[in-house]
Amino acid sequence: EPEVTQTPSHQVTQMGQEVILHCVPISNHLYFYWYRQILGQKVEFLVSFYNNEISEKSEIFDDQFSVERPDGSNFTLKIRSTKLEDSAMYFCASRLGQQFYGYTFGSGTRLTVV
Amino acid sequence: DQQVKQNSPSLSVQEGRISILNCDYTNSMFDYFLWYKKYPAEGPTFLISISSIKDKNEDGRFTVFLNKSAKHLSLHIVPSQPGDSAVYFCAASARAAGNKLTFGGGTRVLVKP
Repeated sequence: EPEVTQTPSHQVTQMGQEVILHCVPISNHLYFYWYRQILGQKVEFLVSFYNNEISEKSEIFDDQFSVERPDGSNFTLKIRSTKLEDSAMYFCASRLGQQFYGYTFGSGTRLTVV
Repeated sequence: DQQVKQNSPSLSVQEGRISILNCDYTNSMFDYFLWYKKYPAEGPTFLISISSIKDKNEDGRFTVFLNKSAKHLSLHIVPSQPGDSAVYFCAASARAAGNKLTFGGGTRVLVKP
């Protein structure tokens, strides 16, 4: 079964450092998302991406965050200057089209900012 | 953000019995609802969904019921199996709002053999 692949599984970074989280969505999917889950809290929407541009972003997704699809397969989330409160599980998801049953999540990257 | 709420943080059920998970929402714009299952160190795995034009959807042991007037949905798992032990998330989406998912806080289910 096709999977959304995220690397690394765990990333530890110093406060103030830049970090890039990597995702390889399912190959024929068209819509891409990042979500995050701070420990003990809900899974929260960060950003959606379609047709090589951001289609929607949440209040969390401020100027410190950016996304990129540098080639036909990767979808990255960059945090420019990490803060302690950015520590969370970050989930990438992708979707083929209008049908929700294809909304597939990766296994996540645990980001720890120290 | 309390648009989607799962009021029971945990549920314990005997193997073979029915598990009933509940979810309430407040946003009338939501028109599609999904249930996800999550194991530790894994991403959410899609289980079953329902459109707001229906009131029931069934897939094997899983059935989702939607009561639009009460803004309430529930997931029934019958019979429950030990492998069903996981955290279950309810999620909702409004197609007019870009199809992002709004999640509930999750219910941890433990199925005892």
